[in-house]
Amino acid sequence: DQQVKQNSPSLSVQEGRISILNCDYTNSMFDYFLWYKKYPAEGPTFLISISSIKDKNEDGRFTVFLNKSAKHLSLHIVPSQPGDSAVYFCAASGPSGTYKYIFGTGTRLKVLA
Amino acid sequence: EPEVTQTPSHQVTQMGQEVILRCVPISNHLYFYWYRQILGQKVEFLVSFYNNEISEKSEIFDDQFSVERPDGSNFTLKIRSTKLEDSAMYFCASSPGTGERQYFGPGTRLTVT
Repeated sequence: DQQVKQNSPSLSVQEGRISILNCDYTNSMFDYFLWYKKYPAEGPTFLISISSIKDKNEDGRFTVFLNKSAKHLSLHIVPSQPGDSAVYFCAASGPSGTYKYIFGTGTRLKVLA
Repeated sequence: EPEVTQTPSHQVTQMGQEVILRCVPISNHLYFYWYRQILGQKVEFLVSFYNNEISEKSEIFDDQFSVERPDGSNFTLKIRSTKLEDSAMYFCASSPGTGERQYFGPGTRLTVT
């Protein structure tokens, strides 16, 4: 089941620069997308979400962009901080009436001081 | 922020034994979920639960698995006869409603020997 893909297993960025994490999906019925952050030995922590009726959502340093025609979403973190170092998962759900999240395989972000 | 809690944090069991993983969802949430993450793999949906019944389940959630909300605050996942391949982190999640973001617990690491 490869409905949600994160093709970059890891990413290193200098502190203060922009981190861009990417996610692709194949199911056009998905209508809600989320990004979660996960530290070792902890559960996923919600970061930001976007509905399919929008193409951008911003919350502080985090912005998610959705390109429905390309079935692609991305998470921008500006400026990146060492505390942002974690594994980032994108997740998708839909159509309305389904309950499950389909997760990508994750991207390990390392922010270098 | 309110939290989902899970016990135990780590459970070791022998193959063929029954295990019960426990979760206390956030108190005013109505939807409850179990996910698992096998080491090095992505987080996978197991089951969702609403109004005292299963609302959706994945192919992984076979007859060896069951869920229960025994007392109005706890939400449990039972594996009747564990197999080596059940070794994973199991995450409980809850949400206020369908279509709203899911809050994840810290996970229970299940090791089957």
